Amino acid sequence: DVKVTQSSRYLVKRTGEKVFLECVQDMDHENMFWYRQDPGLGLRLIYFSYDVKMKEKGDIPEGYSVSREKKERFSLILESASTNQTSMYLCASSPPGRDEKLFFGSGTQLSVL
Amino acid sequence: AQRVTQPEKLLSVFKGAPVELKCNYSYSGSPELFWYVQYSRQRLQLLLRHISRESIKGFTADLNKGETSFHLKKPFAQEEDSAMYYCALRHNTDKLIFGTGTRLQVFP
Repeated sequence: DVKVTQSSRYLVKRTGEKVFLECVQDMDHENMFWYRQDPGLGLRLIYFSYDVKMKEKGDIPEGYSVSREKKERFSLILESASTNQTSMYLCASSPPGRDEKLFFGSGTQLSVL
Repeated sequence: AQRVTQPEKLLSVFKGAPVELKCNYSYSGSPELFWYVQYSRQRLQLLLRHISRESIKGFTADLNKGETSFHLKKPFAQEEDSAMYYCALRHNTDKLIFGTGTRLQVFP
């Protein structure tokens, strides 16, 4: 069974802090994604990666960066956290191919105070 | 620009009633469309994809290219169908775009 693991379930940070959200998958998937999930706005894509060291901006990349040094790990970085980045963050992975499904992690609820 | 629209934030029905969750999309190419579901306290997971033409948990969805729609239907709703449902579109770059979601509440 595919496992996508997000390191923290809940995280509380202060405005201006640098925040790292980690995601690891164990199925050798090429594609990895970071979304944020907000009520009424659905899931919005922040960044995705289709290979090691490759990344593509999603729809809302401002204020975020990512790192993919190893195939199994995709990190989301908030360089200077702000209150409007309080959200549920979801990581996902998939094999390549448009008809392939995404496997999601359980999410990290980030609160920025 | 690619877009997925789910016009209803909340849909409430009684057990045994038919359900239709609406999804419209805008995409210039040939889309791959999906429905994902999130039950309470569970991970988001795939419900069905249009390419498979399958029925999962009694749900079906037909791609209507003329109306650019991919509505999710079930003839008789069950209480365990209560969840958040997201329509999603995948295009050439493997990027997956989601709609804003519809919460389905099925009352006993």
